[in-house]
Amino acid sequence: QKEVEQNSGPLSVPEGAIASLNCTYSDRGSQSFFWYRQYSGKSPELIMSIYSNGDKEDGRFTAQLNKASQYVSLLIRDSQPSDSATYLCAVLDSNYQLIWGAGTKLIIKP
Amino acid sequence: DGGITQSPKYLFRKEGQNVTLSCEQNLNHDAMYWYRQDPGQGLRLIYYSQIVNDFQKGDIAEGYSVSREKKESFPLTVTSAQKNPTAFYLCASSKDRGGSKNIQYFGAGTRLSVL
Repeated sequence: QKEVEQNSGPLSVPEGAIASLNCTYSDRGSQSFFWYRQYSGKSPELIMSIYSNGDKEDGRFTAQLNKASQYVSLLIRDSQPSDSATYLCAVLDSNYQLIWGAGTKLIIKP
Repeated sequence: DGGITQSPKYLFRKEGQNVTLSCEQNLNHDAMYWYRQDPGQGLRLIYYSQIVNDFQKGDIAEGYSVSREKKESFPLTVTSAQKNPTAFYLCASSKDRGGSKNIQYFGAGTRLSVL
């Protein structure tokens, strides 16, 4: 069974620091990778997408992909209390189905 | 404004009752999806549809049914055969199912509880 693994947390980070969220996946044929943010009681919203090895930056967010290690990460610089949420990693597998991790709960401490 | 509208926001089901969750999108997306989310778990795919009048079962389709008569609409019925329906139900859509086009966007969700 294809899997996406995330540490459930909670991950506690001081305000202004860098938050690092990690995700591993099992299907080597996966081509597209996504990070979603989900506030408590709300629906997921897309933060970043990444398709090739390396880094992709968007404002305070950087996604990193390493297909050889089957590893994708999300860095959040200058963390703010409003970044406190659950972050979901999603991987598009070789059958074009999106496989979801269970999410990492991030808490930014003022 | 373009988006995905789910209704109702909260729904209560009585024993033996079928209930229908509505999902409408005006993004002109071809693909639509229904997910179920339980506390502390990832999203699990119930059904998806790539085009009108066609839909496929996901990982947990038992006890659920869908229809896709219009491109904009993809309602989900939770039947009495679904014995544990209490969950957060999310509808999503994407331009297509393949590659970079499969960025999925979500509605606000429907929270279903059993009376």
